[in-house]
Amino acid sequence: GQNIDQPTEMTATEGAIVQINCTYQTSGFNGLFWYQQHAGEAPTFLSYNVLDGLEEKGRFSSFLSRSKGYSYLLLKELQMKDSASYLCAVKKFSGGYNKLIFGAGTRLAVHP
Amino acid sequence: DSGVTQTPKHLITATGQRVTLRCSPRSGDLSVYWYQQSLDQGLQFLIQYYNGEERAKGNILERFSAQQFPDLHSELNLSSLELGDSALYFCASSAKEENTIYFGEGSWLTVV
Repeated sequence: GQNIDQPTEMTATEGAIVQINCTYQTSGFNGLFWYQQHAGEAPTFLSYNVLDGLEEKGRFSSFLSRSKGYSYLLLKELQMKDSASYLCAVKKFSGGYNKLIFGAGTRLAVHP
Repeated sequence: DSGVTQTPKHLITATGQRVTLRCSPRSGDLSVYWYQQSLDQGLQFLIQYYNGEERAKGNILERFSAQQFPDLHSELNLSSLELGDSALYFCASSAKEENTIYFGEGSWLTVV
């Protein structure tokens, strides 16, 4: 099986920095995604990591440590519109193909 | 706009009925995925198709079935509907490399 753990909720202040952690346990690990989802809307792609290290994309960065089964999403210069759920998703290779398994998501509330 | 098109956007139906949800993947994408998201819940993987063939199965009920047609669009059939099937159903697609998976806007199903 596989476990993906993220905090259920986080709060932060506008303009600040927040780090959302994700730990996972799975066989056949083949990459990790971060998605943003506003309530009732489609998840939108933020980042993809398959190798260890930090990937930076504007205000958002994502880090992966395969040996530790750990990733984080770093959001800088928080804006009110960043209030959303952030989904960690593990790509698992099994039976000859990839499957994407999502964590339950972290609800981030950004306050003025 | 992710390029993934889902219809209908909203659907209200009675228990015991059958509905079909439709998905057109992004141009050139061969993989189609279906996910279910109940209120305040995470994304539950249902099923994946690649170029017309079933690739992976998740927590899909026997009352549910899906297929991918030669033109690569996909349909998710939900039968003998129950109140608990009320949810947002997402379709997603990816290119063969599966490095990025893009989601459609979802189909809201309400069973009354």
